[in-house]
Order: sequence, then structure tokens, then C-alpha cells
Amino acid sequence: DIQMTQSPPSLSASVGDRVTITCRASRNIISFLSWYQQKPGKSPELLIYGATTLRSGVPSRFSGTESGTDFSLIISSLQPEDFATYYCQQTYTTPRTFGHGTKVEVK
Amino acid sequence: QVQLQESGPGLVKPSETLSLTCAVSGDSIRSSGWWTWVRQPPGKGLQWMGEVHHTGTNNYDPALKSRISISVDSSKNQISLQLNSVTAADTAVYYCARLGQGTTLDSWGQGTLVTVSS
Repeated sequence: DIQMTQSPPSLSASVGDRVTITCRASRNIISFLSWYQQKPGKSPELLIYGATTLRSGVPSRFSGTESGTDFSLIISSLQPEDFATYYCQQTYTTPRTFGHGTKVEVK
Repeated sequence: QVQLQESGPGLVKPSETLSLTCAVSGDSIRSSGWWTWVRQPPGKGLQWMGEVHHTGTNNYDPALKSRISISVDSSKNQISLQLNSVTAADTAVYYCARLGQGTTLDSWGQGTLVTVSS
């Protein structure tokens, strides 16, 4: 199985901050990497797929980068509605494993 | 716009079988390749369980392979999950989701909580 190591597990930030969340795959997943946002009591929502492609309707302050087996989700200027938990997932092969999540909290 | 709706018992006894259904509307199961089950134990992260193609082909998490079955009913436009010999560790919110274009989970149901307890 491909392991997805996501960091940090949690972070505290303020509105307007630049936030970076990273995921490292245990082997090559090409660009089959998605990022999801989940708010308490809600289903996950897709933000980015193909490592860097922003889903239609998702604010442009969200972006994704890739470098080999390292992937990042960047929020350029954190907004109040962005406090949530974020997950990466590799969809290159089954089992399509998730990272353990990063909780973005108010500083 | 595709919508997914999970349904099934909210309480299952230990050692019994958990059975859930996911009704799909706004899209034909035959038009999208893979349909997925993901679960989330209380306070924990997302766990990919498995997926089914509209042709009936499956992929499962190896950790669940001996206990899980995911099937598709194209005539009803729904997918089903069965998990045998459940324990308290199977208590979770269960989500169905579509693996859409871009090979990503682009549509999710609202989830249903299943508690395993006697």
C-alpha cells in the first residue's frame, strides 16, 4: 500500500495568514493527488485534484504544488471559513489511501 | 448535479453484518466508472474502504477484504455495502462517493453514522 504522510497534524493560524500543509507519498503517485476540506459534522469537499488543478468554484486562495513525491496545499490568505480539517488522498492505485489530516485552528 | 444518499440501520450488534445503501441521483451509475465507500470513526480520519465499477468489478482495502462486499444495482441506480462480523472498531460515519473525472472523489453523500453495540 502507498502511505501518505501528512503534516502537521494541526496548526494554529490567524485570518490573513499563509498556510501550507504537506503530504509525502511513500512512492511515486505521478500527480494522482487530491485535497479535501472537511468541516465538523459535514462531508469532505473536494478542493484540488491532479495535485494542482483547482476544482471549479473553489476560491483561488487555495493552490496545490508537487515536487516528486511531495505535495502541498497552500492557502494564500486564510479566511474565517477556512478553519477546518484538510486531507490529502492518493488515487494512483488501490487502496486509495488518505493522509491522517491537518486541523487548521484559530490562533 | 449528482447527489448521493446513504441509508441503513444506525445500530448493529457485534458479530452481525452492517448493510448500507447509497442511492445515486442526477447521474447514471453506468456513466461514472467507480463508486466508493469511505468511513470515518468518531474523532478520527478518513478511511478508504473499497470501490465498485458499474460492471461489478471491485477493489477493496486489504485490511477489510475478508469481511467486505460492495455491489452495484444499475436498475435502481444504487450501490451497497456489506461488512461482516462487525466489532466496536467498525463504529463510524460511512460515506459513499463518486470517483469522477480527474480520478478524484468529486461528489460525496452526507454520511450515515453506524454504531456497533449490543
